[in-house]
Amino acid sequence: GAVVSQHPSWVICKSGTSVKIECRSLDFQATTMFWYRQFPKQSLMLMATSNEGSKATYEQGVEKDKFLINHASLTLSTLTVTSAHPEDSSFYICSAGTPNSGNTIYFGEGSWLTVV
Amino acid sequence: RKEVEQDPGPFNVPEGATVAFNCTYSNSASQSFFWYRQDCRKEPKLLMSVYSSGNEDGRFTAQLNRASQYISLLIRDSKLSDSATYLCVVNVPNQAGTALIFGKGTTLSVSS
Repeated sequence: GAVVSQHPSWVICKSGTSVKIECRSLDFQATTMFWYRQFPKQSLMLMATSNEGSKATYEQGVEKDKFLINHASLTLSTLTVTSAHPEDSSFYICSAGTPNSGNTIYFGEGSWLTVV
Repeated sequence: RKEVEQDPGPFNVPEGATVAFNCTYSNSASQSFFWYRQDCRKEPKLLMSVYSSGNEDGRFTAQLNRASQYISLLIRDSKLSDSATYLCVVNVPNQAGTALIFGKGTTLSVSS
């Protein structure tokens, strides 16, 4: 079964609204979570690294005020796409790992965001 | 130069064929290496880790050449179920610690 759960799997929102995606580690405490974005026929692009209890570290070119990441507990990280626009439509996927899992990285099922 | 580069696809092969994928990475400080498989509209799933000594898992063989910064994946006796996108993945140090960086992927289509 899944060890990292992501919700929602699909979401359609209107342009200008905000959308929150949750990523939960189910069987372990994830000290670090990663958020990726994947456009059609493109690779997964790392957006940010989220460490529990501290601010996320964003990759170059990713707007931290637009993609708000919160990692308030060892089992939950959230990504909020603020003021979404059609070009934000993409597949967003989180992953989580911990030294206690042998540094294995587990992926969530991903969230398809469509902004209309 | 992109951090992780892979063969452009797609690879279209008949069942039973042997197919090889190549990958190069740019960061010599990269610490660990993987091949992931991604099916259409799904999350990537770990296929196998790649070790310097080379490693095999059934029909799949992975090789790593640190000097050349080159990784390969060989699939023998291809099955229809092997059809997917194969992602070369490298764990690189970054300002947050380390992170998995993905190649663009190579699509494999196995036909009967």
